[in-house]
Amino acid sequence: GENVEQHPSTLSVQEGDSAVIKCTYSDSASNYFPWYKQELGKRPQLIIDIRSNVGEKKDQRIAVTLNKTAKHFSLHITETQPEDSAVYFCAARGGTALIFGKGTTLSVSS
Amino acid sequence: GAVVSQHPSRVICKSGTSVKIECRSLDFQATTMFWYRQFPKKSLMLMATSNEGSKATYEQGVEKDKFLINHASLTLSTLTVTSAHPEDSSFYICSAPRGASSYEQYFGPGTRLTVT
Repeated sequence: GENVEQHPSTLSVQEGDSAVIKCTYSDSASNYFPWYKQELGKRPQLIIDIRSNVGEKKDQRIAVTLNKTAKHFSLHITETQPEDSAVYFCAARGGTALIFGKGTTLSVSS
Repeated sequence: GAVVSQHPSRVICKSGTSVKIECRSLDFQATTMFWYRQFPKKSLMLMATSNEGSKATYEQGVEKDKFLINHASLTLSTLTVTSAHPEDSSFYICSAPRGASSYEQYFGPGTRLTVT
């Protein structure tokens, strides 16, 4: 089955800096790669996603890149703000279910 | 976006009792729903895939007799934790895609189970 690795587990940046979180997946058949932001005790919130036929997608300060050959995808957040502080999860969909990475705790200090 | 609800949001039960958690798709039909479990400061672990009108598919290591899943209608899946023990205490979240060809998953708000 699918296995998703996520790095780093924690990331601390200064306000205004960029943050990058990386994930690798194992199943070459996976075709959908969403990123979620989760606050404590809440449901995951989709922040951006990418399908396997696209290499890059951007939405304001957030972008995701996908390298199918290397089987890795990354989340890029520019001009970070304190409200970006949260746990971020990557996921990959091979069959029908999403398999999640272990998460990255992002702390943005002002 | 599509709406998925869960009930209850929090439940405390005594060891040895059973607890039922409901997951409902409010504005769409879901032939498939997914159940995840999340321990504090950990990731979402897929427990099982709930299929309307047929048996659920469980992930390796998940006890099907302990975590009973029923998907009796196109808008409702239930997860029953039988003979609950303190180690079953966790955050349980369901999700559903809006349509068989949909990529995006819609998550319920989660249920915090505490077994005393």
